[in-house]
Amino acid sequence: AQSVAQPEDQVNVAEGNPLTVKCTYSVSGNPYLFWYVQYPNRGLQFLLKYITGDNLVKGSYGFEAEFNKSQTSFHLKKPSALVSDSALYFCAVRDANNNDMRFGAGTRLTVKP
Amino acid sequence: KAGVTQTPRYLIKTRGQQVTLSCSPISGHRSVSWYQQTPGQGLQFLFEYFSETQRNKGNFPGRFSGRQFSNSRSEMNVSTLELGDSALYLCASSLGSGGVSYEQYFGPGTRLTVT
Repeated sequence: AQSVAQPEDQVNVAEGNPLTVKCTYSVSGNPYLFWYVQYPNRGLQFLLKYITGDNLVKGSYGFEAEFNKSQTSFHLKKPSALVSDSALYFCAVRDANNNDMRFGAGTRLTVKP
Repeated sequence: KAGVTQTPRYLIKTRGQQVTLSCSPISGHRSVSWYQQTPGQGLQFLFEYFSETQRNKGNFPGRFSGRQFSNSRSEMNVSTLELGDSALYLCASSLGSGGVSYEQYFGPGTRLTVT
């Protein structure tokens, strides 16, 4: 069965600095990979996805993610963090057989001014 | 388009009771998934429906059940509630269908408290 790991519970960065939120996955066959963000008292919002094609995927709010098949990783990145990026970030994977979506445990990102 | 709506938003129940939660997907979306979110377990997949058929099911006891109607609206039911069922229940909709995996759009959730 597919699985996702987010090795960091918490990531702290200073505003204006680049940020990276890590995600590794395990799946049989080709993966479908997603990033979601959850702001306080709000539902999860879709940020970006990788299905096929270019390994660098661009999404909402200036976020991007890089798919690395050899390292089975899909790290979320942003060149310059904003205080408003502070939230809970979830990585998710689904296999090509469209089995259920599996989410990571989440990483809390805090951007300090 | 209106987003995914879930009702009720908050619910307090007593152990042993049952509860039904409702989800209306985004117009045109045919797939609905349910998740349980707790601080300790994170997001746990419950089940997914597509065109009124259960397509996937997570590792939850039979007390958890669901259904989807012809208009794609979905309900989930939890019978014989336990304290451990206290959680945020999230519904997500997507265009669905096989071959390409569509992103899911989440509702605000129903906060269930079991006392």
